[in-house]
Amino acid sequence: AQSVAQPEDQVNVAEGNPLTVKCTYSVSGNPYLFWYVQYPNRGLQFLLKYITGDNLVKGSYGFEAEFNKSQTSFHLKKPSALVSDSALYFCAVRDMNSGAGSYQLTFGKGTKLSVIP
Amino acid sequence: SAVISQKPSRDICQRGTSLTIQCQVDSQVTMMFWYRQQPGQSLTLIATANQGSEATYESGFVIDKFPISRPNLTFSTLTVSNLSPEDSSIYLCSEHDNYGYTFGSGTRLTVV
Repeated sequence: AQSVAQPEDQVNVAEGNPLTVKCTYSVSGNPYLFWYVQYPNRGLQFLLKYITGDNLVKGSYGFEAEFNKSQTSFHLKKPSALVSDSALYFCAVRDMNSGAGSYQLTFGKGTKLSVIP
Repeated sequence: SAVISQKPSRDICQRGTSLTIQCQVDSQVTMMFWYRQQPGQSLTLIATANQGSEATYESGFVIDKFPISRPNLTFSTLTVSNLSPEDSSIYLCSEHDNYGYTFGSGTRLTVV
């Protein structure tokens, strides 16, 4: 079974400071990892993904994430936070070795990011 | 990546009635998914909808309550039947293609 943990319900950061939103995962095979952002009354918007290759993945809106296999983590980062980054962030995983036809994504519970002016 | 148009964006329904949610994809996709996001919660997969076959439902979700249609490779509907206040949630559709997963904008359902 695959699972995702986002240990922080809320992260507060001052505008201009670096931000980190944490995510750890558990899969039996190789992970396919995603970050999505949800603004109020909106659907999910794709930020970035990791399948293979460079452990540092760059995505939309200046976000990046670092895949760490030994720590089974995929933390989301941004060097300088903006007030407009305030939203709900979801980490998701799919086990690439879960068998043919299984494309199910499992989501973390989400982390609310508040960037304070 | 694909673009999904989901409607309605929101609705208020009387208990005992049904709501049908539509998702239109701008390209042909094999796999579509339906999720429920209860207030303050994460996304829970309801079912996987493949064209030409019955939807595959996750544990805790049944076809009588959440019938799904997938008539072609660009369209799917989810009906939430016999509504109760506990069904008040955001419902999202999603597709999978070579670029990853794209989500619709969601349908916020309130049952009164």
